[in-house]
Amino acid sequence: GQQVMQIPQYQHVQEGEDFTTYCNSSTTLSNIQWYKQRPGGHPVFLIQLVKSGEVKKQKRLTFQFGEAKKNSSLHITATQTTDVGTYFCTRGSNYKLTFGKGTLLTVNP
Amino acid sequence: GAGVSQSPSNKVTEKGKDVELRCDPISGHTALYWYRQSLGQGLEFLIYFQGNSAPDKSGLPSDRFSAERTGGSVSTLTIQRTQQEDSAVYLCASSLETGNFYGYTFGSGTRLTVV
Repeated sequence: GQQVMQIPQYQHVQEGEDFTTYCNSSTTLSNIQWYKQRPGGHPVFLIQLVKSGEVKKQKRLTFQFGEAKKNSSLHITATQTTDVGTYFCTRGSNYKLTFGKGTLLTVNP
Repeated sequence: GAGVSQSPSNKVTEKGKDVELRCDPISGHTALYWYRQSLGQGLEFLIYFQGNSAPDKSGLPSDRFSAERTGGSVSTLTIQRTQQEDSAVYLCASSLETGNFYGYTFGSGTRLTVV
């Protein structure tokens, strides 16, 4: 199936700076899920977006689903060293999630 | 159980040997998924189960790979005649049901090294 393209592939920030990763699809998505994988760890489910234009917040993390349901973003305000990891957006197709390479975030303390 | 449990956590095997990887999903989760992650790469879908059935095995890399699930619970991924390119972290996940409206809970994975 078609993958969701995620950019950037890598992002290095200073602690306290903001960070944003973007997902884009050529087709309309029924929903999008976000996962975080710490170095050496396993993916952990963060959130699911379903509605057009939906915005959800989890503390310093803001997730957005585009009006056309073809793109999504994850924004982290004032990054901390605990935010280090790879962030994946995934698309579902009936029964399975397809993961891309994600965005690797590193934070310089 | 409280989470998805995978065993062993690490496995080193000689090329040509068979290995079995085990996954114990969250109790009550009917859907179970196997993924593979090579170093620095994304997750590669292998197979999923709905109950004991595996409707889609298309992600299995070759006929050396097989998987089964019994009692709608524990699943075993078997790799026969292992090759060096099989080295990766094998991740198992479960969700309440199949369908893309449920978040996955992943286990900690089995790191397989073929020498």
